[in-house]
Amino acid sequence: QVQLMQSGGGVVRPGGSLRLSCAASGFIFKNYGMHWVRQAPGKGLEWVAFIRFDEQTKYYSDSVKGRFTISRDNSKNSLYLQMDSLRPEDTAVYFCAKDLIRGTTNYFDYWGQGTLVTVSS
Amino acid sequence: EIVLTQSPATLSLSPGERATLSCRASQSVSTYLAWYQQKPGQAPRLLVYDASTRATGIPARFSGSGSGTDFTLTITNLEPEDFAVYFCQQRGNWPRTFGQGTKLEI
Repeated sequence: QVQLMQSGGGVVRPGGSLRLSCAASGFIFKNYGMHWVRQAPGKGLEWVAFIRFDEQTKYYSDSVKGRFTISRDNSKNSLYLQMDSLRPEDTAVYFCAKDLIRGTTNYFDYWGQGTLVTVSS
Repeated sequence: EIVLTQSPATLSLSPGERATLSCRASQSVSTYLAWYQQKPGQAPRLLVYDASTRATGIPARFSGSGSGTDFTLTITNLEPEDFAVYFCQQRGNWPRTFGQGTKLEI
């Protein structure tokens, strides 16, 4: 069965950095686009970043562009989010999510368990 | 950026009743719209995509409709496990965006 197992996260000071990881299993990882989506405490969902199956295309939300970097290692079935210059407003639960259909669709059919990132001094 | 506005913010119903949730887009997204269900402490669950296609394993009591800017998620014969928060999401344009959510409560 499809599993997305997240790691990383924690508490970091403003201006600091953190790296999130998402280990995929149960599907052919290299065939699917992947995303990061976040949810601030008690708030709604915010799409953060996308990477195409072959890494040739990446998109970011304006709120993280220039500070966050999405990457993947298809040989390790893993997705990453490097978060730099963190701000208090980046505090959220971060989810990795898989595209529904091989190639690209940008609907999210499987999600990681979520990892909390807290940016606070 | 396409803004998705969901209504109502909260919907209070009882098991066995019918729920009608609305999502309005600030510009046309054709039928490129999905609905998700989220329960406390859990990741969202895909219910419907392309406005009206149920995802794998989703019960037939969940149905989606609409196109352009106006969309509806209908849940018939509410079960106790249906009480949750529902989000719509569009893939018509970048950035992908979500609505602010509708809380379906007993």
